Amino acid sequence: EVQLVETGGGLVQPGRSLKLSCVASGFTFNNYWMSWTRQAPGKGLEWVASITNSGGSTYYPDSVKGRFTISRDNAQNTLYLQMNSLRSEDTATYYCTRDTGLFDYWGQGVMVTVSS
Amino acid sequence: DIQMTQSPASLSASLGETVTIECRASEDIYSNLAWYQQKPGNSPQLLIYDANSLADGVPSRFSGSGSGTQYSLKINSLQSEDVASYFCQQYNNYPWTFGGGTKLELK
Repeated sequence: EVQLVETGGGLVQPGRSLKLSCVASGFTFNNYWMSWTRQAPGKGLEWVASITNSGGSTYYPDSVKGRFTISRDNAQNTLYLQMNSLRSEDTATYYCTRDTGLFDYWGQGVMVTVSS
Repeated sequence: DIQMTQSPASLSASLGETVTIECRASEDIYSNLAWYQQKPGNSPQLLIYDANSLADGVPSRFSGSGSGTQYSLKINSLQSEDVASYFCQQYNNYPWTFGGGTKLELK
């Protein structure tokens, strides 16, 4: 059974940093691209970052480019999202997703609140 | 960026009814379209991929169709467990983009 378990969320002040983690199980982690997708409270979905299976390439939308960094440790089956210079508009539930272009598996999500 | 316009934003239907949700892309996405269902308090789950292929375990009352820039999700014989929000997503070009969602409620 595929499982994606995110940790690391919480309340953070604007301008500060936070790092999310996602531990994967139930599939061969290093065979798959992985992504982060977020959902602001009561709003729709927004893709945030993707990383190739080797970790050699990463992709971001303009809204987070230069502030967020996706990375992975294939030995530990773990995906990361380093979020710097956080803004109030980054407040959302962040989901770890397996990425085959579409997102075929989702974690339970972790809440990030950016507020002073 | 490819804009995904989903309609309606909300929908109220009766048990047993057939409902249709539409998704329009701002350019041709060559059937690289997925549909997700998100039940209240839960994570989204994949329903349909490649515009018309059912994901594993999804009931056959769900179906997808369309091509080019116009796509639709149809739910036949609506069940109470179908109350959810539904989102389309294109994966033809980065950045991957989603429709605004359709909230489906029971009448």
